[in-house]
Amino acid sequence: GENVEQHPSTLSVQEGDSAVIKCTYSDSASNYFPWYKQELGKGPQLIIDIRSNVGEKKDQRIAVTLNKTAKHFSLHITETQPEDSAVYFCAAPYAGGTSYGKLTFGQGTILTVHP
Amino acid sequence: NAGVTQTPKFQVLKTGQSMTLQCAQDMNHNSMYWYRQDPGMGLRLIYYSASEGTTDKGEVPNGYNVSRLNKREFSLRLESAAPSQTSVYFCASRLTASSYNSPLHFGNGTRLTVT
Repeated sequence: GENVEQHPSTLSVQEGDSAVIKCTYSDSASNYFPWYKQELGKGPQLIIDIRSNVGEKKDQRIAVTLNKTAKHFSLHITETQPEDSAVYFCAAPYAGGTSYGKLTFGQGTILTVHP
Repeated sequence: NAGVTQTPKFQVLKTGQSMTLQCAQDMNHNSMYWYRQDPGMGLRLIYYSASEGTTDKGEVPNGYNVSRLNKREFSLRLESAAPSQTSVYFCASRLTASSYNSPLHFGNGTRLTVT
């Protein structure tokens, strides 16, 4: 099965700074990489995802980059705001391939944005 | 628009007791999933149902059973609870199992403590 490692486990930034969270995966057959944001007391919510046929995807202040050769992908948040404070999870298909609902998650990153 | 609804929100069980966690979605989704979340381990897939009438094991199925009651409802049962099952349980759904353009929607979780 897939193995996903996520770093760092905690990240503290000042408002307006950028934040970067990195994940590595083990299964070269994986082709879908979502990122989830989880606020306190809530379930995870998809914020952005990328398929393996592109190297980068942007959505306003959020971007995801993918390096298939090195088997890692990263979440970039620019101009961070206090409301970006949450736990962020990366994920990849559980058994590789295209089972997009069966996901293996990273360990999570607690992002704190200080005003 | 309720999305994915889980009941109960909190539960305390004694070792050996049984209980059923309920999940219902109102988005007409075909696929439903049960995950557990433990500190430092991200989310792990317990069971899933790709479509009404089918269920299958995920990464950590031991000690659990599921029932896909109808298209809307997917329940998780603990027959004899153990302290190792203390966790936060999340139900999720998506339109189909294999479609890329179909985000995974999570409920807000059930926090279970087994003493």
